[in-house]
Amino acid sequence: AQSVAQPEDQVNVAEGNPLTVKCTYSVSGNPYLFWYVQYPNRGLQFLLKYITGDNLVKGSYGFEAEFNKSQTSFHLKKPSALVSDSALYFCAVRVYNTDKLIFGTGTRLQVFP
Amino acid sequence: DARVTQTPRHKVTEMGQEVTMRCQPILGHNTVFWYRQTMMQGLELLAYFRNRAPLDDSGMPKDRFSAEMPDATLATLKIQPSEPRDSAVYFCASGLTSGASSSYNEQFFGPGTRLTVL
Repeated sequence: AQSVAQPEDQVNVAEGNPLTVKCTYSVSGNPYLFWYVQYPNRGLQFLLKYITGDNLVKGSYGFEAEFNKSQTSFHLKKPSALVSDSALYFCAVRVYNTDKLIFGTGTRLQVFP
Repeated sequence: DARVTQTPRHKVTEMGQEVTMRCQPILGHNTVFWYRQTMMQGLELLAYFRNRAPLDDSGMPKDRFSAEMPDATLATLKIQPSEPRDSAVYFCASGLTSGASSSYNEQFFGPGTRLTVL
């Protein structure tokens, strides 16, 4: 069965410091992995995806994610955090051979000035 | 700037009343999803359609929920009768997929309908 885990409910980081939001997955077949961000009272916004190819995927707003097959991880990263990055971040994995995504429980990122 | 639209944005109703939520997917997208978000359960998939045909509604309470796509520009989610436990934010998302396992694109989410059932 497919699943995705976000082990941290909240991540706190100072502005200007690098940030990492963790995600691990379990899938059948090749993993199709996604990161979304949700700002207060808004829908989810797509950040980036891994389908195949380079293990380092670059996305919107300076975010990137590293696919690690041996560790079954897809951590979200940014070299220098901004206060405006504070939001709820969701990792998702595609259910094999369907259009469905399974979302993690979300990680709240707080960037302090 | 293409985006998914949802109406109403907010709905307060009393237990037992019918609630209808509407979604206009991005033009050209062939897949529509309905999600429910609550603090306790997180983000749950209720149902989804491809080319207006329902493919999976296993996440939806069948006795009171129904989802339809009357045409390619409108998806509806109906609750009848509504209950306080239905209080949540309901999101619609759309995407473009071919159905082939090797092809998959991201979903685009609407702003949501915040439903409160008293």
